[in-house]
Amino acid sequence: EVQLLESGGGLVQPGGSLRLSCAASGFTFSAYAITWVRQAPGKGLEWVSAISGSGDSTDYAASVKGRFTISRDNSKNTLYLQMNTLRAEDTAVYYCAKTRSGMVAAINYWGQGTLVTVSS
Amino acid sequence: DIQMTQSPSSLSASVGDRVTITCRASQGIRNYLAWYQQKPGKVPKLLIYAASTLQSGVPSRFSGSGSGTDFTLTISSLQPEDVATYYCQKYNSAPLTFGGGTKVEIK
Repeated sequence: EVQLLESGGGLVQPGGSLRLSCAASGFTFSAYAITWVRQAPGKGLEWVSAISGSGDSTDYAASVKGRFTISRDNSKNTLYLQMNTLRAEDTAVYYCAKTRSGMVAAINYWGQGTLVTVSS
Repeated sequence: DIQMTQSPSSLSASVGDRVTITCRASQGIRNYLAWYQQKPGKVPKLLIYAASTLQSGVPSRFSGSGSGTDFTLTISSLQPEDVATYYCQKYNSAPLTFGGGTKVEIK
């Protein structure tokens, strides 16, 4: 059974940093691209970032480029999202999500999400 | 970047009705289009990928069609458990943009 478990969310002040983690199990982690998708309270889904199975290729939404960094450790089956210079508009539930194959593919499994609140 | 526009933003229909949701891309994306269902308080679920391929386990009352810029999600006979918000997503290239969502309610 595919499982994705996010952690690391919490309350942070504007301008602060946070690192999210996503522990994966139930599939060959290194064979699949993984993405981060966020959802602000009461709002729709927003794609944030993606990383290839090998970790060699990454993509970012314009809204986070230069502030967020996605990475993965295939030896630990874990995905990360380093978030710097956080803004109020980054407040959202952040989902770790597995694609069906590569970076340009639909998402077939989602974690339960971790809430990030940016506020003073 | 390619924009994804869904319509309507919300709808109310009776049980058994045929429901159609539209998603339009600002540029052609071939068939790189997925549909997701998100029930209240739940995680999104993949319904359809490649515009018209039903994900395993999804009821056959759901179907998808379209290619290029115009896509449709159809629920052939709306059921109470279909109350949810539905999102399209393009995935031909980054950014993998979602549509704004369509909230479906029972009349």
